[in-house]
Amino acid sequence: DQQVKQNSPSLSVQEGRISILNCDYTNSMFDYFLWYKKYPAEGPTFLISISSIKDKNEDGRFTVFLNKSAKHLSLHIVPSQPGDSAVYFCAAQTGANNLFFGTGTRLTVIP
Amino acid sequence: KAGVTQTPRYLIKTRGQQVTLSCSPISGHRSVSWYQQTPGQGLQFLFEYFSETQRNKGNFPGRFSGRQFSNSRSEMNVSTLELGDSALYLCASSLQAGSYNEQFFGPGTRLTVL
Repeated sequence: DQQVKQNSPSLSVQEGRISILNCDYTNSMFDYFLWYKKYPAEGPTFLISISSIKDKNEDGRFTVFLNKSAKHLSLHIVPSQPGDSAVYFCAAQTGANNLFFGTGTRLTVIP
Repeated sequence: KAGVTQTPRYLIKTRGQQVTLSCSPISGHRSVSWYQQTPGQGLQFLFEYFSETQRNKGNFPGRFSGRQFSNSRSEMNVSTLELGDSALYLCASSLQAGSYNEQFFGPGTRLTVL
């Protein structure tokens, strides 16, 4: 049973525009949420996170929004750059260290 | 500081064989977690080791096992391989166990079962 879902397997965006990647979860015990970015032949790298006590966290061009009532989070990238082209995974944690990952969204930023 | 290393990077086995994958965490990191990545399922948690003890385990059959050594290096073993075990196996290390400890991933071992 997939507790973290990314329903869009792919997304294409023009350079300079906003990229919005979405993620839904089912487990209300999740209290920490993360986004990872993965290039081919490399492991995922941490991008940005948000605690369940917040609804927004910003880091440069990346902002994560959390809507606990809807069990939904999103990652906004503004402006999008060609180097942002990668697979993005959202992940969620409870008190243990294991991460529950979504299936990923492949972002392509078109120059 | 060197990152997480995994060996081998690529492996081809046949059904019924067993395989051992190795992970060396970042120096000073004591927690190692293993994940399986497949196209349809994304990354799924296998298990976590901390101070040579399995701290947490995902929903995988007993054919999947692991261990951690005193230097924090970890191995995972898959016995009686099945075609469905073909996947990218990722390990991640963190300073401590528990939530909010950032996990750093290795490049993975690509296992193909024929």
